[in-house]
Amino acid sequence: ELKVEQNPLFLSMQEGKNYTIYCNYSTTSDRLYWYRQDPGKSLESLFVLLSNGAVKQEGRLMASLDTKARLSTLHITAAVHDLSATYFCAGEASNFGNEKLTFGTGTRLTIIP
Amino acid sequence: GAGVSQSPRYKVAKRGQDVALRCDPISGHVSLFWYQQALGQGPEFLTYFQNEAQLDKSGLPSDRFFAERPEGSVSTLKIQRTQQEDSAVYLCASRVGNTIYFGEGSWLTVV
Repeated sequence: ELKVEQNPLFLSMQEGKNYTIYCNYSTTSDRLYWYRQDPGKSLESLFVLLSNGAVKQEGRLMASLDTKARLSTLHITAAVHDLSATYFCAGEASNFGNEKLTFGTGTRLTIIP
Repeated sequence: GAGVSQSPRYKVAKRGQDVALRCDPISGHVSLFWYQQALGQGPEFLTYFQNEAQLDKSGLPSDRFFAERPEGSVSTLKIQRTQQEDSAVYLCASRVGNTIYFGEGSWLTVV
């Protein structure tokens, strides 16, 4: 059964700094997803990573996938306040016909002005 | 509609009461999922449909939980004899290709 672990669970950082959130998963995963969740809101899709070495960037966020290490990272460059949110990674297990996602516990990111 | 629509958005139920949560997926989306998200936690899988077929219900926590999607579009998650530990946000999602769209969720509080 696929297990997904994120760290850190909480992250407080100053505006303008760089940081990385790590997502480890336990077994082969077809796809790796990153989501953002604001308080009281639903999940907003950020990235879908499909293959080893995949890298995607949107604004100050960049996600990468290393399937051999079973590791994905979400890198934040020059953080700004409006990036404050909880970030989740989720893996999709390689079971044919089953598309369910397994989520990590989330990283609550607070950007301090 | 443009996105996944869920109702009610907020529900307060007395312990022992039955509740029904509705999900309208994006039109044409074959795959539909239900997740449960407790406060401060990540979403946890409950069940999954392809069209009207329920292919995986392994995440339903007990036989008090029941989900259906009789015509392959709208889905209902029913919780019988609610208990306090059922208090959570229930998220519905639908999928096309590699993108999974989540609804705003139904916030259930059992008192």
